[in-house]
Amino acid sequence: AQKVTQAQTEISVVEKEDVTLDCVYETRDTTYYLFWYKQPPSGELVFLIRRNSFDEQNEISGRYSWNFQKSTSSFNFTITASQVVDSAVYFCALRTGANNLFFGTGTRLTVIP
Amino acid sequence: KAGVTQTPRYLIKTRGQQVTLSCSPISGHRSVSWYQQTPGQGLQFLFEYFSETQRNKGNFPGRFSGRQFSNSRSEMNVSTLELGDSALYLCASSEGQVSSYEQYFGPGTRLTVT
Repeated sequence: AQKVTQAQTEISVVEKEDVTLDCVYETRDTTYYLFWYKQPPSGELVFLIRRNSFDEQNEISGRYSWNFQKSTSSFNFTITASQVVDSAVYFCALRTGANNLFFGTGTRLTVIP
Repeated sequence: KAGVTQTPRYLIKTRGQQVTLSCSPISGHRSVSWYQQTPGQGLQFLFEYFSETQRNKGNFPGRFSGRQFSNSRSEMNVSTLELGDSALYLCASSEGQVSSYEQYFGPGTRLTVT
């Protein structure tokens, strides 16, 4: 069975602070994909990143970075120097085989100006 | 390219009625998936269509059905609506079958059942 856990339900930070969103996944498959999506108040899910299980390289994209560690089954997401526009719900998701996405319950991030 | 579009954006229906939601994928995308988002259950996969065929189905009752047309547009139908069907229904498209490609989501249709 597949499972994605986002233990942080809500996080509030002051603008310009760094924040890390945690994601822990469970799967018995050796081939899988991990994703992060952002859902702003408008409701549309915005794709941020995809990682496959064979690529443990961390990735940085501007103020965003992702830390993938198979040893701890974690795929954490860090926003550096947070901005008000980063306020949204962030979802971590897992896909295995021919299955569709299994989503975590999401973390609501509020960046206070 | 235009993104995924969903119509209508908002819908209010009464228990027992049926509803049809529409999704137009990104041009060139052949796969369409549907998800239901509720505060209680979160985001849950409904079904995926690729080349007019249902390729994968989530754990939802038979009241939920869908189809895909030759132009890749998809519709989702819910019959005999229940209060618990109130949700945001999200459509996502991808170039090919979901297992190999990223999915891009539309803005969703917010369905309220009274």
